[in-house]
Amino acid sequence: DTEVTQTPKHLVMGMTNKKSLKCEQHMGHRAMYWYKQKAKKPPELMFVYSYEKLSINESVPSRFSPECPNSSLLNLHLHALQPEDSALYLCASSQASGDLVNEQFFGPGTRLTVL
Amino acid sequence: SQELEQSPQSLIVQEGKNLTINCTSSKTLYGLYWYKQKYGEGLIFLMMLQKGGEEKSHEKITAKLDEKKQQSSLHITASQPSHAGIYLCGADNGNAGNMLTFGGGTRLMVKP
Repeated sequence: DTEVTQTPKHLVMGMTNKKSLKCEQHMGHRAMYWYKQKAKKPPELMFVYSYEKLSINESVPSRFSPECPNSSLLNLHLHALQPEDSALYLCASSQASGDLVNEQFFGPGTRLTVL
Repeated sequence: SQELEQSPQSLIVQEGKNLTINCTSSKTLYGLYWYKQKYGEGLIFLMMLQKGGEEKSHEKITAKLDEKKQQSSLHITASQPSHAGIYLCGADNGNAGNMLTFGGGTRLMVKP
């Protein structure tokens, strides 16, 4: 299995809702990532998990809460989002992070719309 | 922070023509990645370059890394409509976490 899966594919939520995005990989990768991509812009890193521990938080607002329950799963919990948070959210995984340069494998993304 | 500049921002070519996309980094490149993205979809990994002077090819796509110039180029030979999409270069900052910084992307259209 050489793919990263993301659910749901599309999500529409109100500003008072609580929702979660899910990402899964079964390649034995120990680093997982969340990126946010606005229209016609490149992906921007949000979080990095390495060996199930949060290693990088790129100053993301607390209304985004990541969680890595195990080495195969990565969640992004959403609460009290703003319309400007509407974007494509991409998950990626790679072999153990650190000194090695490793390619990241991306999921298809979740298209989020905040009303 | 590392910045990547891609050129051109967009490109329209006739099917069968060759084309080149460039990616220039503001800092030392530890690893340079090329990805392709269809609109609204995930990124497809194309190639990774690590060493200066390294060149890799896959089908009709060739990528080179000029470490001294902190630059990489992606060359497509005999372009086809299937090559259309957004090409993104990404650089590893060399620190723990393998965080990727992406260039602004090059939007390629291939006219049949």
